[in-house]
Amino acid sequence: QVQLQESGPGLVTPSQTLSLTCTVSGGSISSGGFYWSWIRQHSGKGLEWIGYIFYNGNTYSNPSLKSRVAMSVDTSKNQFSLDLNSVTAADTAVYYCARTAAGKDFDFWGQGTLVTVSS
Amino acid sequence: QSVLTQPPSVSAAPGQKVTISCSGSSSNIGDNYVSWYRQLPGTAPKLLIYENNRRPSGIPDRFSGSKSGTSATLDITGLQTGDEADYYCGTWDSSLSAGVFGGGTKLTAL
Repeated sequence: QVQLQESGPGLVTPSQTLSLTCTVSGGSISSGGFYWSWIRQHSGKGLEWIGYIFYNGNTYSNPSLKSRVAMSVDTSKNQFSLDLNSVTAADTAVYYCARTAAGKDFDFWGQGTLVTVSS
Repeated sequence: QSVLTQPPSVSAAPGQKVTISCSGSSSNIGDNYVSWYRQLPGTAPKLLIYENNRRPSGIPDRFSGSKSGTSATLDITGLQTGDEADYYCGTWDSSLSAGVFGGGTKLTAL
């Protein structure tokens, strides 16, 4: 059973960079066949896809966030990461990492981590 | 404003059937697979249906999905009180080159 776990600061200062890491267990990122996604959910709101990365480092980002998003993968640690720069209070949300299958469905999710942007 | 449109809420009595709709366009639902997710309060979403109508291992056959043109539907039969949750549809939008979701539907078992 694949498991994902997000980690990173729960509080980020406005204008700084939000950095999160997702650690994958029960399966190898480098085995291919899947993308690895970041999704966020504002309080009481719906889901917003941020982007995904392939094991070879190819990335695809939501156009609405693309200019502020960077993603990376570390296959040796079986981890992938998200950097979101120039954050504001509007970036306060629960951030999820998820495995993405070829049909673009998200079949395994992390438990989510709340990131609050505040001074 | 979500790219995909879902009713904010639906309700039905336990044991009954409920249908949740998801409406999109030719660039998203019309051109790509649809998936459905259930989210219980305080937890991560869970995949219920993928590739329009396929169920992951462990998902009971009370849950079924379908797609026609630019719309998709999630049917839940034999409604249980434990099915009370928020339900989301999702797909890829070929024009936006982005994953997109519906705004979510809150299911209440009366």
